[in-house]
Amino acid sequence: GQQVMQIPQYQHVQEGEDFTTYCNSSTTLSNIQWYKQRPGGHPVFLIQLVKSGEVKKQKRLTFQFGEAKKNSSLHITATQTTDVGTYFCAGLNSNSGYALNFGKGTSLLVTP
Amino acid sequence: DTEVTQTPKHLVMGMTNKKSLKCEQHMGHRAMYWYKQKAKKPPELMFVYSYEKLSINESVPSRFSPECPNSSLLNLHLHALQPEDSALYLCASSHSLAGENEQFFGPGTRLTVL
Repeated sequence: GQQVMQIPQYQHVQEGEDFTTYCNSSTTLSNIQWYKQRPGGHPVFLIQLVKSGEVKKQKRLTFQFGEAKKNSSLHITATQTTDVGTYFCAGLNSNSGYALNFGKGTSLLVTP
Repeated sequence: DTEVTQTPKHLVMGMTNKKSLKCEQHMGHRAMYWYKQKAKKPPELMFVYSYEKLSINESVPSRFSPECPNSSLLNLHLHALQPEDSALYLCASSHSLAGENEQFFGPGTRLTVL
């Protein structure tokens, strides 16, 4: 079945450094969504990418969707301590129903 | 109101107990979801309701029984659970089941089965 792989599992950075997490799907995705979960919290929607090659920015966050719609990345420029949390990508393959397949997540730790 | 609420926040139950988790949203969303999340793992889909009808059941054991009384409410009835069922249970909703819609998650119920 469809799998969404996400790396790295953990990332520890100094405040001000950049951070990137990557997602790869074994099948073509209809869209990909990104969520952030703070420690002790619940997933919060960040963004959705639908078009091949799409790039979206939210302040220091840049999201990309690959040309083949099988991979995606989230890049954070100049991390801050408020960026701490686990970032999940979640892919949708409309051929397999309307369930999101979550990646395993990347836990980001930012030290001041 | 852009919030999904869940009650209770915490629940401790024995293996012979019957309990229910509740979820509510007033955003007019027609798709509602139950997820199970273990520590340091991604949310794992359990059930999906669309227009108050069960749309997806991800082969969840019958000791978990979902119910959607109306378009704003979603329940999860628990009976004869096992200790390995201890987890964070998340409810979510989205505008529809079309998939190109963000999911709003509730704060979750942290369940411990003794």
